[in-house]
Amino acid sequence: EAGVVQSPRYKIIEKKQPVAFWCNPISGHNTLYWYRQNLGQGPELLIRYENEEAVDDSQLPKDRFSAERLKGVDSTLKIQPAELGDSAVYLCASTIGAEAFFGQGTRLTVV
Amino acid sequence: QQQVKQSPQSLIVQKGGISIINCAYENTAFDYFPWYQQFPGKGPALLIAIRPDVSEKKEGRFTISFNKSAKQFSLHIMDSQPGDSATYFCAASMEWDDKIIFGKGTRLHILP
Repeated sequence: EAGVVQSPRYKIIEKKQPVAFWCNPISGHNTLYWYRQNLGQGPELLIRYENEEAVDDSQLPKDRFSAERLKGVDSTLKIQPAELGDSAVYLCASTIGAEAFFGQGTRLTVV
Repeated sequence: QQQVKQSPQSLIVQKGGISIINCAYENTAFDYFPWYQQFPGKGPALLIAIRPDVSEKKEGRFTISFNKSAKQFSLHIMDSQPGDSATYFCAASMEWDDKIIFGKGTRLHILP
């Protein structure tokens, strides 16, 4: 069974440019998360979806970040415009019960 | 109240030794306490988890000890091996709310 798939693995952009990340969760997992992981830190929740509904986006900086999960399967996370402080690893996870399965993440570098 | 505090930040253990990582929480509504293991360039992966109705759970060389009254739990890695070198995160969540709160992580290095 394929795990959580994220793309791209790495992205380098200049500040003020837009960027998008894509996530394909494990088939049948209704709950999908986007986390941000800064260097040397634990993952911090950005947004959580139940099917196509965002049920927790309280930590998402809505002035520049947006996310969608069309048809309750794949999801995209967008940053526009990116800032230097957005450099981090962006992790997608999906859950069955209490166990979360993570993708390998997208390492974003904003220069 | 949503925080999970983890210590130490980094840990060096000799091969064959016992690695111990500690976590503390405040919110008594948490009812699921997983530990995740993360290797460089990879996402975190569930290692072992415990619910507060038991005080200990063991899976191979990995044991979680849980102290409900103290609101603390710890991961013990017995006979630590170089392949155990990774970053370990404790976490907590509530059954009615799937949000997982992570600790800041412990970077473990096992000396060969």
